[in-house]
Amino acid sequence: SYELTQPSSVSVSPGQTARITCSGDALPNQYAYWYQQKPGQAPVLVIYKDSERPSGIPERFSGSSSGTTVTLIISGVQAEDEADYYCQSADSSDPYPEVFGGGTKLTVL
Amino acid sequence: EVQLVQSGGGLVQPGGSLKLSCAASGFTFSGSTMHWVRQASGKGLEWIGRIRIKANNYATTYGASVKGRFTISRDDSRNTAYLQMNGLKNEDTAVYYCSRSRLGIGDNWGQGTLVTVSS
Repeated sequence: SYELTQPSSVSVSPGQTARITCSGDALPNQYAYWYQQKPGQAPVLVIYKDSERPSGIPERFSGSSSGTTVTLIISGVQAEDEADYYCQSADSSDPYPEVFGGGTKLTVL
Repeated sequence: EVQLVQSGGGLVQPGGSLKLSCAASGFTFSGSTMHWVRQASGKGLEWIGRIRIKANNYATTYGASVKGRFTISRDDSRNTAYLQMNGLKNEDTAVYYCSRSRLGIGDNWGQGTLVTVSS
């Protein structure tokens, strides 16, 4: 079955830029989405369609795409950004089932 | 305000069945694809499946680990989505979320409900 691959952890100091990657063979043909999840809470959509930001999400969150890799970029990381981040996309074969990456723990040092 | 209120979780024995409900308000439920996602303790998110709207014949799609055991349905007259789980296994123990699809598969989420499969 289709898989999305993320690093298990990323660490950055406050004010620095965090980059979290997600790789998958179908990403050139399917949009990617990013979710932030804090302990004990439901996920929150922070990026949709590779690089679009929902209303209410801070501008420091952005996304990019290049070939089979998409990247979540958090500029000027703040302590409150410490969380698990999941990429999500769909398989390129009908009926296009959805899939999540394994998740990345962002630690703010 | 968009709300998804879940109910129906609990303890069930291996091989048993359980049905979860997800009651929606604050948006046009009949126009929204609904998803179910689960998360085992300390693990990542796993997509279970989705049900599309009437215009798409209420088409359902499932993840490989639950296909043939779980069934997603909806009642647009009650603004409610359902997850029927049969043949439950220990590894199905998780917090189950319903979500509403708009920008992504999870623009809005239920509060989550714990399902524990154990003898």
